[in-house]
Amino acid sequence: NAGVTQTPKFRILKIGQSMTLQCTQDMNHNYMYWYRQDPGMGLKLIYYSVGAGITDKGEVPNGYNVSRSTTEDFPLRLELAAPSQTSVYFCASSPPQRAGGPFEQYFGPGTRLTVT
Amino acid sequence: AQSVTQLGSHVSVSEGALVLLRCNYSSSVPPYLFWYVQYPNQGLQLLLKYTTGATLVKGINGFEAEFKKSETSFHLTKPSAHMSDAAEYFCAVSEGDTGTASKLTFGTGTRLQVTL
Repeated sequence: NAGVTQTPKFRILKIGQSMTLQCTQDMNHNYMYWYRQDPGMGLKLIYYSVGAGITDKGEVPNGYNVSRSTTEDFPLRLELAAPSQTSVYFCASSPPQRAGGPFEQYFGPGTRLTVT
Repeated sequence: AQSVTQLGSHVSVSEGALVLLRCNYSSSVPPYLFWYVQYPNQGLQLLLKYTTGATLVKGINGFEAEFKKSETSFHLTKPSAHMSDAAEYFCAVSEGDTGTASKLTFGTGTRLQVTL
């Protein structure tokens, strides 16, 4: 299994441009997540999905959109990129939480995005 | 709302010395607690987790953590540091109900440096 894969690894955008960060998992996990990681700030949840066709906002959703048409894919779209969106973006997936506690989240290698 | 505080953004130890990384949490319900490790330019990897039961949790690479409800703490320890332990460590808490997404709240991270 490849686990969670993300493309691209690096990207430089100009202010106002748009792009889609791709995320795919091959573990048949229902739940998927998008985080951003800024220096000294830890990881912040942007959006998450509990299954195909179901998405919900996390802590910092402004400026982003997501869709989930299949179990495997969970793309993150940036519209009108701004310098504040310069960050490292991580996608993660997990099985559903269950009695006795949640399963771990499996993380992709990240996409480093710079907006100038 | 849940929150996590990691004391010390940088910790430096000598090879062979005790590693102690501190984590305190705030949660309105019994928490689920996690430690993740991030090596340079990689995604996060689970070290260990506490859900219910035994309060001393053993993880990978010789790490362990103890859940202390009275102190709202979940400190990470390793008896003898190795050069390969140099990485960033994140504590996280989940309050997700059974059947819902395991939304994690992360601390800001502690960078561990191991010196000869």
